[in-house]
Amino acid sequence: NAGVTQTPKFQVLKTGQSMTLQCAQDMNHNSMYWYRQDPGMGLRLIYYSASEGTTDKGEVPNGYNVSRLNKREFSLRLESAAPSQTSVYFCASRLYSELNTEAFFGQGTRLTVV
Amino acid sequence: KQEVTQIPAALSVPEGENLVLNCSFTDSAIYNLQWFRQDPGKGLTSLLLIQSSQREQTSGRLNASLDKSSGRSTLYIAASQPGDSATYLCAVLRTGFQKLVFGTGTRLLVSP
Repeated sequence: NAGVTQTPKFQVLKTGQSMTLQCAQDMNHNSMYWYRQDPGMGLRLIYYSASEGTTDKGEVPNGYNVSRLNKREFSLRLESAAPSQTSVYFCASRLYSELNTEAFFGQGTRLTVV
Repeated sequence: KQEVTQIPAALSVPEGENLVLNCSFTDSAIYNLQWFRQDPGKGLTSLLLIQSSQREQTSGRLNASLDKSSGRSTLYIAASQPGDSATYLCAVLRTGFQKLVFGTGTRLLVSP
Protein backbone atom coordinates (compact mmCIF):
# COMPACT_ATOMS: atom_id res chain seq x y z
CA ASN A 1 0.00 0.00 0.00
CA ALA A 2 1.84 3.09 -1.28
CA GLY A 3 -0.24 5.71 0.58
CA VAL A 4 0.57 9.23 -0.66
CA THR A 5 3.21 9.48 -3.39
CA GLN A 6 4.86 12.74 -4.43
CA THR A 7 7.09 13.38 -7.43
CA PRO A 8 9.71 14.63 -7.83
CA LYS A 9 11.53 14.32 -4.48
CA PHE A 10 14.04 17.07 -5.31
CA GLN A 11 14.02 19.90 -7.83
CA VAL A 12 16.15 22.95 -8.59
CA LEU A 13 14.56 25.68 -10.69
CA LYS A 14 15.78 28.96 -12.06
CA THR A 15 13.75 32.07 -11.29
CA GLY A 16 10.90 32.35 -13.78
CA GLN A 17 10.76 28.68 -14.71
CA SER A 18 7.58 26.69 -14.27
CA MET A 19 6.97 23.23 -12.93
CA THR A 20 4.25 20.93 -11.64
CA LEU A 21 4.46 18.90 -8.46
CA GLN A 22 2.54 15.66 -8.66
CA CYS A 23 0.67 13.91 -5.87
CA ALA A 24 -1.29 10.68 -5.94
CA GLN A 25 -3.00 8.65 -3.21
CA ASP A 26 -4.32 5.13 -3.34
CA MET A 27 -6.45 5.16 -0.17
CA ASN A 28 -9.69 6.30 -1.85
CA HIS A 29 -9.56 9.54 0.12
CA ASN A 30 -11.74 12.40 -1.02
CA SER A 31 -9.83 15.34 0.53
CA MET A 32 -6.34 16.32 -0.57
CA TYR A 33 -4.02 19.13 0.49
CA TRP A 34 -0.82 20.94 -0.43
CA TYR A 35 1.33 22.42 2.33
CA ARG A 36 4.69 24.13 2.36
CA GLN A 37 7.11 23.86 5.26
CA ASP A 38 9.64 26.56 6.03
CA PRO A 39 12.02 26.86 9.00
CA GLY A 40 10.33 28.59 11.91
CA MET A 41 7.01 28.85 10.05
CA GLY A 42 5.61 25.37 10.45
CA LEU A 43 3.36 23.88 7.79
CA ARG A 44 1.17 26.35 5.93
CA LEU A 45 -1.72 25.36 3.70
CA ILE A 46 -1.43 26.42 0.07
CA TYR A 47 -4.53 24.86 -1.49
CA TYR A 48 -6.88 22.04 -0.67
CA SER A 49 -9.52 19.98 -2.43
CA ALA A 50 -12.36 18.80 -0.22
CA SER A 51 -13.61 16.46 -2.92
CA GLU A 52 -13.10 15.67 -6.57
CA GLY A 53 -14.02 18.68 -8.68
CA THR A 54 -13.50 21.31 -5.97
CA THR A 55 -10.47 23.33 -4.92
CA ASP A 56 -10.06 26.14 -2.41
CA LYS A 57 -7.34 28.53 -1.37
CA GLY A 58 -5.49 28.05 1.85
CA GLU A 59 -3.31 30.41 3.82
CA VAL A 60 -0.59 31.10 1.19
CA PRO A 61 -2.01 30.52 -2.35
CA ASN A 62 -0.27 33.36 -4.22
CA GLY A 63 2.02 32.13 -6.99
CA TYR A 64 0.45 28.67 -7.14
CA ASN A 65 -2.30 26.89 -9.01
CA VAL A 66 -3.77 23.45 -8.46
CA SER A 67 -5.65 20.81 -10.41
CA ARG A 68 -7.69 17.98 -8.95
CA LEU A 69 -7.27 15.69 -11.94
CA ASN A 70 -9.38 12.87 -10.50
CA LYS A 71 -10.04 11.38 -7.09
CA ARG A 72 -6.48 10.03 -6.83
CA GLU A 73 -4.41 12.94 -8.11
CA PHE A 74 -3.88 16.53 -7.00
CA SER A 75 -1.16 18.59 -8.68
CA LEU A 76 0.46 21.90 -7.69
CA ARG A 77 1.83 24.21 -10.36
CA LEU A 78 4.29 27.04 -10.07
CA GLU A 79 3.86 29.19 -13.17
CA SER A 80 6.85 31.49 -12.62
CA ALA A 81 9.05 30.31 -9.78
CA ALA A 82 10.51 32.84 -7.34
CA PRO A 83 13.25 32.38 -4.71
CA SER A 84 10.56 32.89 -2.02
CA GLN A 85 9.04 29.61 -3.16
CA THR A 86 12.11 27.67 -2.06
CA SER A 87 10.60 25.28 0.45
CA VAL A 88 9.62 21.72 1.19
CA TYR A 89 6.22 20.87 -0.24
CA PHE A 90 3.99 18.20 1.25
CA CYS A 91 0.87 16.62 -0.14
CA ALA A 92 -1.65 15.06 2.21
CA SER A 93 -4.96 13.25 1.99
CA ARG A 94 -7.74 12.21 4.32
CA LEU A 95 -11.17 10.63 4.20
CA TYR A 96 -13.78 13.12 5.27
CA SER A 97 -16.36 11.52 7.47
CA GLU A 98 -18.21 12.18 10.69
CA LEU A 99 -15.62 10.03 12.45
CA ASN A 100 -12.82 12.21 11.09
CA THR A 101 -10.05 9.86 10.09
CA GLU A 102 -6.36 10.63 10.07
CA ALA A 103 -4.52 12.69 7.50
CA PHE A 104 -1.64 10.97 5.70
CA PHE A 105 1.34 12.76 4.20
CA GLY A 106 3.73 12.14 1.35
CA GLN A 107 7.50 12.23 1.76
CA GLY A 108 7.81 15.77 0.41
CA THR A 109 9.35 17.61 -2.52
CA ARG A 110 12.39 19.73 -1.75
CA LEU A 111 12.35 22.67 -4.14
CA THR A 112 15.13 25.21 -4.53
CA VAL A 113 14.63 28.28 -6.72
CA VAL A 114 17.85 30.05 -7.66
CA LYS B 1 -8.52 32.43 13.12
CA GLN B 2 -7.28 29.20 14.67
CA GLU B 3 -3.77 29.43 16.08
CA VAL B 4 -1.82 26.46 17.36
CA THR B 5 1.17 26.78 19.68
CA GLN B 6 3.61 24.13 20.83
CA ILE B 7 5.80 24.49 23.87
CA PRO B 8 8.66 23.90 24.29
CA ALA B 9 10.18 24.48 20.85
CA ALA B 10 13.02 22.11 21.71
CA LEU B 11 13.61 19.54 24.41
CA SER B 12 16.65 17.45 25.31
CA VAL B 13 16.36 14.55 27.76
CA PRO B 14 18.39 11.48 28.76
CA GLU B 15 17.17 8.07 27.70
CA GLY B 16 14.54 6.54 29.97
CA GLU B 17 12.83 9.74 31.04
CA ASN B 18 9.09 10.22 30.78
CA LEU B 19 8.22 13.47 29.03
CA VAL B 20 5.29 15.66 28.08
CA LEU B 21 4.87 17.76 24.96
CA ASN B 22 2.27 20.51 24.93
CA CYS B 23 -0.06 21.82 22.25
CA SER B 24 -2.53 24.68 22.71
CA PHE B 25 -5.14 26.05 20.31
CA THR B 26 -7.24 29.20 20.40
CA ASP B 27 -10.56 27.98 18.96
CA SER B 28 -12.18 25.08 20.83
CA ALA B 29 -14.58 24.29 17.95
CA ILE B 30 -12.54 21.42 16.55
CA TYR B 31 -13.37 18.05 14.98
CA ASN B 32 -10.16 16.42 16.08
CA LEU B 33 -6.52 16.85 16.97
CA GLN B 34 -3.74 14.80 15.44
CA TRP B 35 -0.16 14.27 16.60
CA PHE B 36 2.57 13.65 14.03
CA ARG B 37 6.23 12.75 14.09
CA GLN B 38 8.70 14.10 11.54
CA ASP B 39 12.23 12.77 11.17
CA PRO B 40 14.86 15.07 9.60
CA GLY B 41 14.38 15.31 5.86
CA LYS B 42 11.31 13.09 5.93
CA GLY B 43 7.56 13.38 5.73
CA LEU B 44 5.05 13.37 8.57
CA THR B 45 4.00 10.15 10.24
CA SER B 46 0.68 10.08 12.07
CA LEU B 47 0.99 9.00 15.71
CA LEU B 48 -2.42 9.52 17.27
CA LEU B 49 -5.74 11.12 16.42
CA ILE B 50 -8.14 12.26 19.14
CA GLN B 51 -11.69 13.02 18.13
CA SER B 52 -13.41 15.97 19.80
CA SER B 53 -15.62 13.62 21.83
CA GLN B 54 -12.63 11.76 23.26
CA ARG B 55 -10.40 12.65 26.19
CA GLU B 56 -7.36 10.56 25.33
CA GLN B 57 -5.80 8.01 23.00
CA THR B 58 -2.99 5.55 23.61
CA SER B 59 -0.57 3.77 21.32
CA GLY B 60 2.25 1.82 22.91
CA ARG B 61 4.39 4.23 24.93
CA LEU B 62 2.46 7.24 23.67
CA ASN B 63 -0.59 8.77 25.32
CA ALA B 64 -2.32 11.87 24.03
CA SER B 65 -4.96 13.80 25.95
CA LEU B 66 -7.38 16.48 24.82
CA ASP B 67 -9.12 19.19 26.84
CA LYS B 68 -11.23 21.16 24.42
CA SER B 69 -12.57 23.59 26.99
CA SER B 70 -9.07 24.81 27.83
CA GLY B 71 -7.75 24.45 24.28
CA ARG B 72 -4.96 22.07 25.24
CA SER B 73 -3.54 18.72 24.29
CA THR B 74 -0.55 16.86 25.69
CA LEU B 75 1.53 14.05 24.26
CA TYR B 76 3.06 11.86 26.93
CA ILE B 77 6.02 9.67 25.96
CA ALA B 78 6.96 7.00 28.49
CA ALA B 79 10.46 5.61 28.92
CA SER B 80 11.95 7.69 26.12
CA GLN B 81 14.48 6.11 23.73
CA PRO B 82 17.05 7.61 21.32
CA GLY B 83 14.81 6.45 18.47
CA ASP B 84 12.14 8.86 19.71
CA SER B 85 14.35 11.78 18.63
CA ALA B 86 12.36 13.72 16.04
CA THR B 87 10.13 16.77 15.67
CA TYR B 88 6.61 16.32 17.02
CA LEU B 89 3.78 18.32 15.47
CA CYS B 90 0.18 18.73 16.50
CA ALA B 91 -2.60 19.77 14.14
CA VAL B 92 -6.26 20.60 14.65
CA LEU B 93 -9.17 20.21 12.26
CA ARG B 94 -11.72 22.97 12.85
CA THR B 95 -15.43 22.22 12.91
CA GLY B 96 -17.01 23.07 9.57
CA PHE B 97 -13.67 23.31 7.76
CA GLN B 98 -11.54 20.83 5.90
CA LYS B 99 -8.25 22.44 6.84
CA LEU B 100 -5.66 21.09 9.26
CA VAL B 101 -3.89 23.87 11.16
CA PHE B 102 -0.43 22.99 12.45
CA GLY B 103 1.70 24.09 15.35
CA THR B 104 5.38 24.80 14.72
CA GLY B 105 6.52 21.66 16.49
CA THR B 106 8.71 20.49 19.35
CA ARG B 107 12.15 19.19 18.42
CA LEU B 108 13.00 16.29 20.77
CA LEU B 109 16.46 14.88 21.35
CA VAL B 110 16.84 11.77 23.52
CA SER B 111 20.44 11.06 24.47
CA PRO B 112 21.76 7.55 25.21
